[in-house]
Formats: sequence, structure tokens, C-alpha cells
Amino acid sequence: DVVMTQSPLSLPVTLGQPASISCRSSQSLVYSDGNIYLNWFQQRPGQSPRRLIDKVSNRDSGVPDRFSGSGSGTDFTLKISRVEAEDVGIYYCMQGRHWPWTFGQGTKVEIK
Amino acid sequence: QVQLVESGGGLVKPGGSLRLSCAASGFTFSDWYMSWVRQAPGMGPEYLAYISGSGNHIEYADSVRGRFTISRDNARNLLYLQMNSLRVEDTGVYYCVYPTREPENWGPGTLVTVSS
Repeated sequence: DVVMTQSPLSLPVTLGQPASISCRSSQSLVYSDGNIYLNWFQQRPGQSPRRLIDKVSNRDSGVPDRFSGSGSGTDFTLKISRVEAEDVGIYYCMQGRHWPWTFGQGTKVEIK
Repeated sequence: QVQLVESGGGLVKPGGSLRLSCAASGFTFSDWYMSWVRQAPGMGPEYLAYISGSGNHIEYADSVRGRFTISRDNARNLLYLQMNSLRVEDTGVYYCVYPTREPENWGPGTLVTVSS
């Protein structure tokens, strides 16, 4: 299975400051259609995961523009430009290229 | 709008069986591949199986192959997961999701607890 490795696993952040989460895949995620099936999810306590970004950098409707995704090949990054209180939760990257599609271990974002 | 609602979870003993259902609405169900994803307590999500719109293409994760069966009823907009030979490690919240590779839509999940 493709292993998705996230870092850090815990990320204490001061309100208004930026945050960055790294995700590395054990294999290339480029599909035959040219797309890179790398997604980012946010999971708030007690809720289902919510997709924030698909195909590396496409932000979902309703997702604040302080969230951005980047990367290529096997290295990807989720950035929050200015962390707000509502951003507390666990963030997962996920690959949809190789079955079984797999998630990273999760990065817990909390406010300092 | 899109709605996915899972049901059928509960407490079951090791070796037992459960059948989960997912009621879908707000989109053309038969056009879409659907998946089951579970999340064990304190862990990240894990894909279990997916099924094509027609039901002709099915894949399973190794952890459930031979024990779980995914199926669908397009006339009733229902997705199913038949779970047999349940193990303690199958405990978790089970979600139906779509699209399969880029799951934008998740249900609230149904809790399955396997314990003696």
C-alpha cells in the first residue's frame, strides 16, 4: 500500500500566525489522466472529515482562502496563512491514485 | 443537496455479522462509484471497498476481503456493506463516501463496536 507520511503530527499555533503541514507519499501520485489525486481533509472533533482541497491545490467551495495546497510528485504541503480558532482539528492528506487509497496519520492543529 | 446517511451499526460479538446501509439523495446515484471508509477510534480513515455505478466493478482492501461484501440497489439509491466474521479490530465509525478517489461527500457515519 502507498504510505502517506505527514509531519508534524502535532502543531501548536498562535492565533493569526501561519501553519504548514507536510505530506509525503511512498509512490508517485500522478495518474494516467495527468491528474494528481492528492486531497486534504479537516476533521473537527466529533465530525466527519471535510474535504478542503483536491488535486493538490483546488480549494473546495466554501473553504476560506487562507487554506492553500501545493506540491508535486511525492511531496505536498497544506498551508494556513493565518490560523483562526475554528481551524482547530486534525488534518489528513489522502491519495486517490493507488488502490487501496490511503490517508496520512493526521496532524493535530491546536491553539497555543 | 447531496445527502448520505448511514445506518445499521451497533454492538456485535466477535465472529458476528452486521449489514450497513447508506441512503443517498441529491445526486444521480447510479452514475457514481461509491465507497465505504471506516475510522477506528483515534486513528485516521481507512478505505474498505468501492463499487462502480453499475455494480460490475468492485475492489476490497486486504483487511476485509473475503469477509465484507459491498453492493448497491440503484432503484432505491442504497449502498450496502455486509460484514461477516467481525473482529475486535473492525470497531470504528463507518462512512459511505463519494466521489471515490476524491471524497467530497461524507455521511455522519454509523458506529460499529465489536466486543465480547
